[in-house]
Amino acid sequence: QSVLTQPPSVSGAPGQRVTISCTGGNSNIGAGYDVHWYQQFPGIAPKLLIYDNTKRASGVPDRFSGSKSGTSASLAISGLRAEDEAAYYCQSFDDSISGSAIFGGGTKLTVL
Amino acid sequence: QVQLVESGGGVVQPGRSLRLSCSASGFTFSQYAMHWVRQAPGKGLEWVAVISNDGSAKYYLDSVRGRFTISRDISKSTLYLQMDSLRDEDTAVYFCVRDGDMIVVPAAYYFDSWGQGTVVTVSS
Repeated sequence: QSVLTQPPSVSGAPGQRVTISCTGGNSNIGAGYDVHWYQQFPGIAPKLLIYDNTKRASGVPDRFSGSKSGTSASLAISGLRAEDEAAYYCQSFDDSISGSAIFGGGTKLTVL
Repeated sequence: QVQLVESGGGVVQPGRSLRLSCSASGFTFSQYAMHWVRQAPGKGLEWVAVISNDGSAKYYLDSVRGRFTISRDISKSTLYLQMDSLRDEDTAVYFCVRDGDMIVVPAAYYFDSWGQGTVVTVSS
């Protein structure tokens, strides 16, 4: 069971906006640690999308945005496209575990 | 451009050892902390270990501490993961990953460049 909780799946039609939540606790997101987001296609290494809660990685379109509040964070994807269908992972740091980065369990996005 | 190429994966029996290597190019290796992240078949991502840019600080996932050792050879721009006393649950794709920021000690703890991964299968 992951320390960061994500919905197993979300879906949306092309052109729509979807959000993926990431819920943590007082030893990670709630303690002020940044949240980062990754996109992964089957059989391919993950790719950094969003870092430091809201900053887009190089080359990432502005359809992708991140936010953080309290013990949670969210990834929003607007203008959904078929090529956005992938798994998305949130990631942060937890100070209850010595020197540990932590991931959410991942969310499979289906474009209908 | 940044390139990370892992090698050393394979099939190994429980209790045996394996050493993974990651050859880095396209950036100044000595300026970045480096990580290993793994993904078991059909599962999510799991951080395994980090080494600071100068090798002075190392941290591990609780379940691998005492069995795995992360190291780096700056002269060869190569990262290593020595895995001893392997268990069935260590079966995964192991990714070599660059830390997202330069000269942050021990690390910024986000991952901006990933290798293609090397497969480790622990099975009798």
